[in-house]
Amino acid sequence: DTEVTQTPKHLVMGMTNKKSLKCEQHMGHRAMYWYKQKAKKPPELMFVYSYEKLSINESVPSRFSPECPNSSLLNLHLHALQPEDSALYLCASSQAGTGGIDTQYFGPGTRLTVL
Amino acid sequence: AQTVTQSQPEMSVQEAETVTLSCTYDTSENNYYLFWYKQPPSRQMILVIRQEAYKQQNATENRFSVNFQKAAKSFSLKISDSQLGDTAMYFCAFSRYNFNKFYFGSGTKLNVKP
Repeated sequence: DTEVTQTPKHLVMGMTNKKSLKCEQHMGHRAMYWYKQKAKKPPELMFVYSYEKLSINESVPSRFSPECPNSSLLNLHLHALQPEDSALYLCASSQAGTGGIDTQYFGPGTRLTVL
Repeated sequence: AQTVTQSQPEMSVQEAETVTLSCTYDTSENNYYLFWYKQPPSRQMILVIRQEAYKQQNATENRFSVNFQKAAKSFSLKISDSQLGDTAMYFCAFSRYNFNKFYFGSGTKLNVKP
């Protein structure tokens, strides 16, 4: 089973709203990732959690706040977003340095629109 | 720094024919991984094929195969017997050994025509 699930599928929010994106995997992976993807562009890495600790933050604005409550769950809290933050937000997971090839498995994404 | 280059923004192929997508990368690392991912329109990104740099043998997955040229830093994807379902964006990605970060190319949009 290589499934990563994300909720919601679509989200529309105003610039003053607070919302959260959720990601879940049950593959026993210990690394989880948030990416932002604009149309016809590759995914841009935002955050990496490894063994529930934030290991990479790609200088993302503080209006994006990640959280990893446990090894299966990853949240992305959104607050005071800008219209240019509208994009597809992808979650991924991988085994995380257990040796061998560390393939990332992606979820279907949340399509976010900021009005 | 690692960079990945896909020089073909868009390609077309007739159904049942063969197409090759190119990818080059730049790294000073000796141990790394290379991937091809497929992202169909409005659908999930899925792994097509992967290659470990220390393996000389080219990876193959059914109709998909790679031509890995380590010295030339080239990693092309060959799709044989193209099918309509192969229509998608294809991203080449690089990852250093034991490091949780992918470097993606800009993508190649492949259109398979009936």
